[in-house]
Amino acid sequence: AQSVTQLDSQVPVFEEAPVELRCNYSSSVSVYLFWYVQYPNQGLQLLLKYLSGSTLVKGINGFEAEFNKSQTSFHLRKPSVHISDTAEYFCAVSDTGNQFYFGTGTSLTVIP
Amino acid sequence: DGGITQSPKYLFRKEGQNVTLSCEQNLNHDAMYWYRQDPGQGLRLIYYSQIVNDFQKGDIAEGYSVSREKKESFPLTVTSAQKNPTAFYLCASSIEDKPHEQYFGPGTRLTVT
Repeated sequence: AQSVTQLDSQVPVFEEAPVELRCNYSSSVSVYLFWYVQYPNQGLQLLLKYLSGSTLVKGINGFEAEFNKSQTSFHLRKPSVHISDTAEYFCAVSDTGNQFYFGTGTSLTVIP
Repeated sequence: DGGITQSPKYLFRKEGQNVTLSCEQNLNHDAMYWYRQDPGQGLRLIYYSQIVNDFQKGDIAEGYSVSREKKESFPLTVTSAQKNPTAFYLCASSIEDKPHEQYFGPGTRLTVT
């Protein structure tokens, strides 16, 4: 089974500053990689995904992530955050496709 | 509008009672999933179903049961055997040849006292 590590449980950042949310996973076999965002008491919304091809993936709301196979990482970045980006962010990995393995989440707080 | 519906949004039960959480989708997706979310633990898979009348246990199936009598519906029953049922429950679905693209419902927060 895969394991997913999100090293930072909480990330505070000032508005308009850049942010990086880190994600590492356990296995280097072929994987699908995802970032989801969750607003309070809501379901998960897909931000972006890596299935194959270019290692730099662009998603919604100005987010992007880079797949690094040698470091088994899939860090999420945004060059300039907004107040509305305050939410919980989850990294997820799937190898067979039927099962997702989620990280424990990173709470991003954007400070005005 | 296509999507996944979970009802109710908030649910309260007394300890020892079984409770059933609803999940309905009109996306014509073949596969459906139930996850449990606890603070600081991310999401954990309870059960999933790839076709009607078939389902498999996930990582934490003990104390839960499911049925899949219709393609669009995948109800989850939290039984009295579940030792710590208070949590946020999320349902998801995907099409058969793209199981890695899961769409999530809005969730049900269950509180058992």
